[in-house]
Amino acid sequence: KAGVTQTPRYLIKTRGQQVTLSCSPISGHRSVSWYQQTPGQGLQFLFEYFSETQRNKGNFPGRFSGRQFSNSRSEMNVSTLELGDSALYLCASSDPPSGGATGELFFGEGSRLTVL
Amino acid sequence: EDKVVQSPLSLVVHEGDTVTLNCSYEVTNFRSLLWYKQEKKAPTFLFMLTSSGIEKKSGRLSSILDKKELFSILNITATQTGDSAIYLCAVEPGNTGTASKLTFGTGTRLQVTL
Repeated sequence: KAGVTQTPRYLIKTRGQQVTLSCSPISGHRSVSWYQQTPGQGLQFLFEYFSETQRNKGNFPGRFSGRQFSNSRSEMNVSTLELGDSALYLCASSDPPSGGATGELFFGEGSRLTVL
Repeated sequence: EDKVVQSPLSLVVHEGDTVTLNCSYEVTNFRSLLWYKQEKKAPTFLFMLTSSGIEKKSGRLSSILDKKELFSILNITATQTGDSAIYLCAVEPGNTGTASKLTFGTGTRLQVTL
């Protein structure tokens, strides 16, 4: 079974630009979560999608958005990039058990974004 | 706001040593606590703990949860250089009928030397 695939792996943007990151979950997984990882803050939850619906959202500004397609693939977009958006963006997929629990997360290798 | 604090922030040990990593938390309506290992980029799952006092064990790694004192420890015995990584602790709140999200600590960076 293929793991979680994220593209692109590395990218460099300048302030004010926008970026789209892609995540393909493990086959059969219905939930995709996105996390931002920075040295000072650790992993911070961005949002989670389940069956094309955003189920939960972290404390990030509206410049951060996402969506999920019918095949469970997900994209996240960051508009009007700022220097502080430089980070490793990790996608995780899971097949949540009943009751709304997250279940074990399977992470991708991440997309390293550098904003100049 | 949910909070996870890990200690120590980093440590260096010699191969063969035993280490204990700590994780304390504050979370509304606790559901579970999870440990992940991050060697390069992708964190990999180690344990999920939901009940107090029940040790989870996998090879040389073990973990236990204390829901009264709100902490967990991760033990690694007979450490090897391959154990060098960042160990992440996360908590999952329980919200009845809705999805939940993980709050991570900043991690403990473990370096095992020969």
